[in-house]
Amino acid sequence: EVQLVESGGGLVKPGGSLRLSCAASGFTFSNAWMSWVRQAPGKGLEWVGRIKSKTDGGTTDYGAPVKGRFTISRDDSKNTLYLQMNSLKTEDTAVYYCTTVGWNGMSIWGQGTMVTVCS
Amino acid sequence: DVQMTQSPSSLSASVGDRVTVTCRASQSIRSYLNWYQQKPGKAPKLLIYAASSLQSGVPSRFSGSGSGTDFTLTISSLQAEDFATYYCQQSYSTPLYTFGQGTKLEIK
Repeated sequence: EVQLVESGGGLVKPGGSLRLSCAASGFTFSNAWMSWVRQAPGKGLEWVGRIKSKTDGGTTDYGAPVKGRFTISRDDSKNTLYLQMNSLKTEDTAVYYCTTVGWNGMSIWGQGTMVTVCS
Repeated sequence: DVQMTQSPSSLSASVGDRVTVTCRASQSIRSYLNWYQQKPGKAPKLLIYAASSLQSGVPSRFSGSGSGTDFTLTISSLQAEDFATYYCQQSYSTPLYTFGQGTKLEIK
C-alpha cells in the first residue's frame, strides 16, 4: 500500500524547535520529489518547501515565510523525509502534511501532524 | 510570484446539480494546473492534474478544463460525498507551488 505517515508534531513555545518525520512505503521513495504543505486552523493550504530526489540533485527550496528557519532533508536508506523547524513563531501553528510532488501535482499525501506554537 | 484566485469562495448546491469552480492565475501557467478535494479533518486528494487529466480512481463526473490563466473544475452531477473544499494549485512556476484560497461546496 502506498503510504506516507507523518510524526513529530506537538506543542512548542515561540522560538523553539521541532523536527517532523514522514515515513514512506509502497513506492520508490528515492526517486520521488517530496514537499511539505501546511494548513493553519480554518485556513487554506500553504506550500512550505520541496526537496528533489538525489538523482536530480537533492536540492531544496522553501516558501518565503519559512526560508532560513526550516530545513527539509531526506534519508533514502530509511525512506524518510524530515522537516527541521527552528525559531518557531505562533503563525507556524498548522497541520503539516508531507506529499510527493511533480509537474502533475501532489498525488500522495500523509495524514498530517499538528504543530502548535504557543507560550 | 504567480497568484491563484478561485471563485466563488463558497457555493451551495444540491445533489444532482452541475457545479463549476473557477481558478484564475495572475500570469500564464500553460496547463500546469491541479485540483484537489479536501474533506474536514482529512488530507487533500488530487482529482485533476495538468488542467484536464483525471487522477486514477477519481469518478468521471469530475472534469477540468482551461489553459493559460483561466481554468474550471466541473462536477457534472453532485453526489453527497462531493461536499468538500476544493483547491486549485499551479505547478508551472516551481518551486513555488501556489494554491488558490479554496472553494467550500456546501449542501443547499
